[in-house]
Amino acid sequence: RKEVEQDPGPFNVPEGATVAFNCTYSNSASQSFFWYRQDCRKEPKLLMSVYSSGNEDGRFTAQLNRASQYISLLIRDSKLSDSATYLCVVTTPSGSNTGKLIFGQGTTLQVKP
Amino acid sequence: EPEVTQTPSHQVTQMGQEVILRCVPISNHLYFYWYRQILGQKVEFLVSFYNNEISEKSEIFDDQFSVERPDGSNFTLKIRSTKLEDSAMYFCASRDKRVGSAARNEQFFGPGTRLTVL
Repeated sequence: RKEVEQDPGPFNVPEGATVAFNCTYSNSASQSFFWYRQDCRKEPKLLMSVYSSGNEDGRFTAQLNRASQYISLLIRDSKLSDSATYLCVVTTPSGSNTGKLIFGQGTTLQVKP
Repeated sequence: EPEVTQTPSHQVTQMGQEVILRCVPISNHLYFYWYRQILGQKVEFLVSFYNNEISEKSEIFDDQFSVERPDGSNFTLKIRSTKLEDSAMYFCASRDKRVGSAARNEQFFGPGTRLTVL
């Protein structure tokens, strides 16, 4: 089983649509959770951290369900500039506690005019 | 705003040659990382570095790989004898706080070096 699993998409949506991405992780001891955004051939950039209580940042809402080992990202009122690959990322405890990031394969979003 | 920088942006090399990829992390950061991303695949952890030594490495990071922080600013990844399958984008990242708070676990990525092995 993959450590972090995402539907690769692509998700093709019109401007203004609401779109939701899901992610599951295999290690129940995972500690921290993030959504990163990656534009084509660019570096990953942190979109938002994901907290147990859920959190919102403008049009973006992230949810975490530890019992189901499930993370979600909701984007409301999609903009053309939201077109990118969204990476689900977790950290798991290790002996040295380095905070290494474990990435999902990413979900591609294409917002059309 | 401080940022991680990497050089070169693109490196082309012949199989069997040594390459050194360079990174300048954000100046007050304590933890340093290398990741790689083969075209069309996910980002994979290679190695983490803290307090002038490797703190963790993945199975990918075999004897052909080494890292160094030769001075107070640079962080390098060396591949001794490159193979075709080493062709990938290599990202350097850094982080400034100890693990413990989700917000402080944020890693800042450099723009990457695209390595092409012929």
